[in-house]
Amino acid sequence: GQQVMQIPQYQHVQEGEDFTTYCNSSTTLSNIQWYKQRPGGHPVFLIQLVKSGEVKKQKRLTFQFGEAKKNSSLHITATQTTDVGTYFCAGLYNQGGKLIFGQGTELSVKP
Amino acid sequence: DAGVIQSPRHEVTEMGQEVTLRCKPISGHNSLFWYRQTMMRGLELLIYFNNNVPIDDSGMPEDRFSAKMPNASFSTLKIQPSEPRDSAVYFCASRLGDLNQPQHFGDGTRLSIL
Repeated sequence: GQQVMQIPQYQHVQEGEDFTTYCNSSTTLSNIQWYKQRPGGHPVFLIQLVKSGEVKKQKRLTFQFGEAKKNSSLHITATQTTDVGTYFCAGLYNQGGKLIFGQGTELSVKP
Repeated sequence: DAGVIQSPRHEVTEMGQEVTLRCKPISGHNSLFWYRQTMMRGLELLIYFNNNVPIDDSGMPEDRFSAKMPNASFSTLKIQPSEPRDSAVYFCASRLGDLNQPQHFGDGTRLSIL
């Protein structure tokens, strides 16, 4: 079935270090969305990638969509304590039309 | 603008009781989603509606779960009878437009079944 795998499950970094989370799908995605959930909060939409090989930046966050549209990554440069939370990728498949969420990567940042 | 509104925020009840979770989507949004989040299973889509019509309920765990959307501004998720394994955070989300648009989540209902 349609499944989005996300790694790592947890990442603990020192403030100022970089962070990357990866998503993979066995089948081609129509697009991929990224969400952030703060502790005790709800998922909040960050960005959407649609085109093969697309790269988008939001300040210290860089999002990439693979050439084959089967994988994606989120990279945070020089993490801050405000980056703490769980980052989810969510893949949209042409068939079915529903968003399939990855398991999420929980980021903790030590000041 | 008001976001997605869910009620109650917290619910604690004994197993066997009926539980009703409520959701008011963002005005004008035409799709509504119910998710369940647990540590073990992550964020799972239970059911979603498009223009008040259920499109995909394949994620609904079993017959104890039911969802309705009687109009564009209200939806309910009902569990009857409830069981301890139903304990989770239940999120409602809404979306405006087509599949490429982002989903907007409510604050969730934290449900504990004793």
